[in-house]
This record gives sequence, structure tokens and C-alpha cells, in this order.
Amino acid sequence: AAGVIQSPRHLIKEKRETATLKCYPIPRHDTVYWYQQGPGQDPQFLISFYEKMQSDKGSIPDRFSAQQFSDYHSELNMSSLELGDSALYFCASSLPTLDTIYFGEGSWLTVV
Amino acid sequence: SQKIEQNSEALNIQEGKTATLTCNYTNYSPAYLQWYRQDPGRGPVFLLLIRENEKEKRKERLKVTFDTTLKQSLFHITASQPADSATYLCALDIYGGSQGNLIFGKGTKLSVKP
Repeated sequence: AAGVIQSPRHLIKEKRETATLKCYPIPRHDTVYWYQQGPGQDPQFLISFYEKMQSDKGSIPDRFSAQQFSDYHSELNMSSLELGDSALYFCASSLPTLDTIYFGEGSWLTVV
Repeated sequence: SQKIEQNSEALNIQEGKTATLTCNYTNYSPAYLQWYRQDPGRGPVFLLLIRENEKEKRKERLKVTFDTTLKQSLFHITASQPADSATYLCALDIYGGSQGNLIFGKGTKLSVKP
């Protein structure tokens, strides 16, 4: 079965640079979530989208922005990167009628 | 503030035994609680969801209980195998429903020794 696809899987950026992560949800899933997981930490909710509109916002820094496109894929844009942004970024998707969400394999961001 | 606690950071058991993991929460009235498995460097994988009106739920060797009075869920893996070694996370939706804004516990790292 198709899963949530994230790209790139690994990314190395320098401080103050910009990074963009992409997420392709499971086909027919119209809701996308972004989570950040620091080393040894639990996943932290950043932001979610439903039908291309932001549906909820968590602990997403102002330096980050995200959007969902007409084909339901989503992009997380991170600017003025800081060392503390180094983490595993997960995208997840779901249908609003389902209680469960499905996570992608994540994108490793390393800021040096 | 909302809080989820999982009983231990690590749990070591012998193959064939039953592993029991605990998840406690405060300041919530969740409609349901979820358990996930996470392997190092991988995304969380959904295992089980139990609703507030369900006392127990089973899936193959997995069993989850949910006590809304104690604000606690227990997660059991029977006849454990080395392949069950992973970190197990419990999660609640911050709104108590199904918005997908999940708050996770810190996880319990289970090691099953042959």
C-alpha cells in the first residue's frame, strides 16, 4: 500500500540558510500534519492542513511556514536556520473520517 | 497544563514474556488514546486506538486497556519477541477528538532479549 512520502530524506544546511521539506500524503488523504522530533525527544506537533487550508497550529516557529497545494502535497519552509532546528521532521496524513494518522519516514535536517 | 507520562524510559524483558507499558495522563478528557511503535530514525507506526468507552482492545499479540477514571492506559505485548524491540509511544489528541494534533509521551524503549 502507498505510504506517506517525504523528501529529501536527509538535508544538511548551514546556519541562516533556508530549507524546504516536501510531503506527499497517502492517495485520497486530504489532511496533512507536520511534526518535529529532536534527538531523544517525542514528536512535537507543528502545523496541519485540511483541504489546503491551515487547520491547526502548534509549536511552529515564526521562521517556519507551510502550505498545502491543490494536489494535497505539502511543503514546510524553514528560514534563518538555527542549530536547534536540527531534527527529524515527520509528515503524516489522514482522512477526516478516520481517527488514525499515518506517518512518513521523516526528513533528517542537520544544521551546521 | 496537559501532561502524558510513560512509566519508564526503558524496559528489558526476556523473550516469551509479556511486556507491560504504562501511560498516564493529566488534565485531559480524551475521546481516545493511541499507541505507536517507533524504530530508530523511522516514523511512528500506528498500532492501536482505544476509545473512552472501550475498556480493552486486542490485536494479535497486543492488548490495550483504558481506564478513564485512573487516567491510565496499559499496553501489553504477549509472547514477546526480539523483533518487538522498539520505542513505544502513547499519544492523545490535544483536543480530545480526532484533529490529529497529537501530544506524545516520551516513549518507553522496549528491549526483548533472546
